[in-house]
Amino acid sequence: EPEVTQTPSHQVTQMGQEVILRCVPISNHLYFYWYRQILGQKVEFLVSFYNNEISEKSEIFDDQFSVERPDGSNFTLKIRSTKLEDSAMYFCASNTERASASTDTQYFGPGTRLTVL
Amino acid sequence: RKEVEQDPGPFNVPEGATVAFNCTYSNSASQSFFWYRQDCRKEPKLLMSVYSSGNEDGRFTAQLNRASQYISLLIRDSKLSDSATYLCVVLPQGGYNKLIFGAGTRLAVHP
Repeated sequence: EPEVTQTPSHQVTQMGQEVILRCVPISNHLYFYWYRQILGQKVEFLVSFYNNEISEKSEIFDDQFSVERPDGSNFTLKIRSTKLEDSAMYFCASNTERASASTDTQYFGPGTRLTVL
Repeated sequence: RKEVEQDPGPFNVPEGATVAFNCTYSNSASQSFFWYRQDCRKEPKLLMSVYSSGNEDGRFTAQLNRASQYISLLIRDSKLSDSATYLCVVLPQGGYNKLIFGAGTRLAVHP
């Protein structure tokens, strides 16, 4: 069964450093997402991406964050200057092969645990 | 008011018990509804979509009441493997597929 993959599984970084979290969505999916979950809290939407551009972003997704689809398979989340409060689990998700059916089920990757020291 | 609210739990039940989870949502224009399951430190996994007419998948039954903005999940004949956090998830209308998650209800099934 196709699945979303994410690397690394755990990333430890110093405050102020840049990190890039990587995701490989399900092949032929058209919509891509990043969510985060701070330990003990709910899953929160960060950004959605379609047709090589951001379609929506939350208030969490400020200028320190960026997303990119550098090739036909990878989808990345970059945090330019990490803060302590960026420590969380970051989940990538993707859905649907059909451009007109974006409400199809989203499939989540296993997540990257980011620890900012 | 929170966008999606759930019973906080935890629910501790014996194997074989029936347990029900409730959820309310604030945006009356929300268009799709789901229950996801999340095991400790793992990704959310879709358990089932929730349809207006109600739907069942084996031991799991989901109900939606749009007038009351209320969603429920019933688990019959609980198994040890059902122990997890159950997330009520809503897709707002026109939200470019931004899923809104509830905080989750933790279920612990014991022998």
